[in-house]
Amino acid sequence: QQQVKQSPQSLIVQKGGISIINCAYENTAFDYFPWYQQFPGKGPALLIAIRPDVSEKKEGRFTISFNKSAKQFSLHIMDSQPGDSATYFCAASTLNTDKLIFGTGTRLQVFP
Amino acid sequence: DVKVTQSSRYLVKRTGEKVFLECVQDMDHENMFWYRQDPGLGLRLIYFSYDVKMKEKGDIPEGYSVSREKKERFSLILESASTNQTSMYLCASSLSGIGRELMNTEAFFGQGTRLTVV
Repeated sequence: QQQVKQSPQSLIVQKGGISIINCAYENTAFDYFPWYQQFPGKGPALLIAIRPDVSEKKEGRFTISFNKSAKQFSLHIMDSQPGDSATYFCAASTLNTDKLIFGTGTRLQVFP
Repeated sequence: DVKVTQSSRYLVKRTGEKVFLECVQDMDHENMFWYRQDPGLGLRLIYFSYDVKMKEKGDIPEGYSVSREKKERFSLILESASTNQTSMYLCASSLSGIGRELMNTEAFFGQGTRLTVV
């Protein structure tokens, strides 16, 4: 049973376009929602994170949108670049435990 | 510079062997994790440790055990390796967020161990 559901599994975007990756969760105790980026041959690294007291967080070209009532959150990459080509994972954890649960990942390819 | 080091990048073991995967972090983090990564299945948590000698099962603990005798070291043990345990194994560590509501609980990952069981 997947606690954090992620879609799509793969995504192909033209350079300059917008990449959108979606995640959904069931456990209402989750209160921390990070996104991780993984390049081939490397471990994942934190990209951006949000807590449920805000509906949006933006860092440069990366934005997390959070919908608490729908139990969904998404990553938007504006002006996508070939260097953004990587696998992206959403994740969630709760306040009383640091156990981090990941989604299934999205492989993003940005073509020039 | 933060560092999580996994002892091997590539490992080939035979079915039935006992396998040890070692992970060391130099950040004095309370939390350490073992995940396995498989195409289409993402990162699945095997075990989580929130303190020395403390552990908690993840989503897929069957066939695995862990050991955390020192804060900086977290070992994953495959008691009797099987071919379905062929995978990429990732270790991670993070600072405890417990009691630190606004603290960023960023997880730092090692580069992974590609284990093949033949």
